[in-house]
Amino acid sequence: AQTVTQSQPEMSVQEAETVTLSCTYDTSENNYYLFWYKQPPSRQMILVIRQEAYKQQNATENRFSVNFQKAAKSFSLKISDSQLGDTAMYFCAFMKQAGTALIFGKGTTLSVSS
Amino acid sequence: NAGVTQTPKFQVLKTGQSMTLQCAQDMNHEYMSWYRQDPGMGLRLIHYSVGAGITDQGEVPNGYNVSRSTTEDFPLRLLSAAPSQTSVYFCASSYVGAGEKLFFGSGTQLSVL
Repeated sequence: AQTVTQSQPEMSVQEAETVTLSCTYDTSENNYYLFWYKQPPSRQMILVIRQEAYKQQNATENRFSVNFQKAAKSFSLKISDSQLGDTAMYFCAFMKQAGTALIFGKGTTLSVSS
Repeated sequence: NAGVTQTPKFQVLKTGQSMTLQCAQDMNHEYMSWYRQDPGMGLRLIHYSVGAGITDQGEVPNGYNVSRSTTEDFPLRLLSAAPSQTSVYFCASSYVGAGEKLFFGSGTQLSVL
């Protein structure tokens, strides 16, 4: 069975600074997908970034980037130039290739202050 | 295009009552799933479906029933609500070729007293 672990329940950062959220996972699969989802107070689940395990290049989406270490089963999210609107719960998630459902970590609450 | 629609958004039940959480998608997605979100627990899979007439259990299926009679709808039934089912429930859908991206509904906050 797959598991996803987020070891930082809460983090805080000042505006314009950079913050890294950690995620590790356990799987025996070779091909899979990893995701970071953002959940603001509105409760909406927003896809931040997605990584395909067979791609060595780390995914980037504007201010968001990942450090994907397949051998170490690590998938951290870096947020650059943090903004107040980044304040939210962030979930790391795993899906097998051609899978149908996600396995989530317990989440990290990120607070961005001015 | 409405996407994934969940109703109701909020619901309060008494212990032992039954109810159905509705989930509908208008994107012709094959895959649909239900999650519950509890504080400090992340989202956990309850049931999922890979197509009409096909359902399977996830991580926390006890106390919940599902059916998938059409591609569009995937209702979640609580036959006898318990306080432990107080949670926020999310429905999600996806399709083959979506790159495993899930489309989420806006959630239903359920309180069982």
